[in-house]
Parts: sequence; structure tokens; C-alpha cells
Amino acid sequence: DAGITQSPRHKVTETGTPVTLRCHQTENHRYMYWYRQDPGHGLRLIHYSYGVKDTDKGEVSDGYSVSRSKTEDFLLTLESATSSQTSVYFCAISVPNQPQHFGDGTRLSIL
Amino acid sequence: GNSVTQMEGPVTLSEEAFLTINCTYTATGYPSLFWYVQYPGEGLQLLLKATKADDKGSNKGFEATYRKETTSFHLEKGSVQVSDSAVYFCALSDKGGTALIFGKGTTLSVSS
Repeated sequence: DAGITQSPRHKVTETGTPVTLRCHQTENHRYMYWYRQDPGHGLRLIHYSYGVKDTDKGEVSDGYSVSRSKTEDFLLTLESATSSQTSVYFCAISVPNQPQHFGDGTRLSIL
Repeated sequence: GNSVTQMEGPVTLSEEAFLTINCTYTATGYPSLFWYVQYPGEGLQLLLKATKADDKGSNKGFEATYRKETTSFHLEKGSVQVSDSAVYFCALSDKGGTALIFGKGTTLSVSS
């Protein structure tokens, strides 16, 4: 398995609170991604990074921010969580022109 | 924009049956195509890929051929096993070959 660790694996929080999810890789891959998985939607890209401090928006970026201060870590932040952000979040990594490898996911419930 | 459409599930089969999961795509340029599999409680694993027209990807008895003329990448397996029960996602590469666009997923359930 690719060396990808997502934390926490499960989290329950309340509407309006800030939430940060962490993705840590040991592969030194250039690209990192955050997706969300929802029934009937498959996986949708939130943000991605193509290097330290280099990030870009995906299809469903509203309400999310990201940071990448080190090659190995890519953080996803919900500044003020809403119930519509209840989802399973997956991190992925890749090198150029190669398939992405996924972490095991974080199940986030916002009440 | 680019998109992927795959057949609705769930697909329910008996062990040793033939499997086809349809996938069609809309894309500009020449994307790479992928099938990923997700077992319960786990992340996505790459099952197979094809990078150009007429390429055939294969792995663990699964196959899919990149058909540019029909914009399709159908997944097939000749004889499914109970252990193949999972959710299957078709995907194409986007944003210059970096990010992926996924279909909605097809749940396969195989009974013995």
C-alpha cells in the first residue's frame, strides 16, 4: 500500500465549528488531492496541490481551504462546518502521469 | 466539461457469472482511463488503466478496452467470485493529466 495516512479516521462535530483533516504521505510524491465521496455522486475533487505552497481549486471547493507547507502533509480545513459537509473525505497522491493512490478515508459527521 | 457516466447499480450476480459494467466518457483531448475498486470500509484501489485508444488494461481477471470511437471503457470479467463484491468506479484524467473525474460508482454483489 502507498504510504498515505489520513487523520482522524472518524470525527463527529457540531455545525459552525472549525475542522481540520490531515493527509500525510511517506512517498515524496509531488501531487496531493482531497476528494469527498457522497452517495449518488461518486468522488468529487475539492482541492489539489502540485507542490509545496502550490494549490488549486477543484469542482467543489466552496467552504474548504487547504495548506501544504511540507511535501508530506496536505491539510484540509472547514472554517465553519455545515451539515452539507458531512461526507467521507479521501486523500490521494500521485507523481506526474501516473495513477493516483488513495488513503483509507476520514468519515466526518456534522450535527 | 469532461464527464464519466457508468451504469447504475446495484449489480447482483451468482458466482462464476460473466460481469460487464458499462462506462462511457465525454472528454476533450486524449485522457487516460481508469477503473478503481473500493472494498467496504476501505479507500480506492487502482484496478486497471489504459492511456490511449485501443489499449487494453487488465488485472485480477478484469479487463477493459479504451474505445475512442464509442467513447467507452467497459469493465468485464469472465467469472466473478464472492470476493469481487465491491464498488467499482470508472474515472478519467483531467487538468492536464493530474486530477481525476469519477463516475458515480457501481455496486457489485456476488453470491455463492
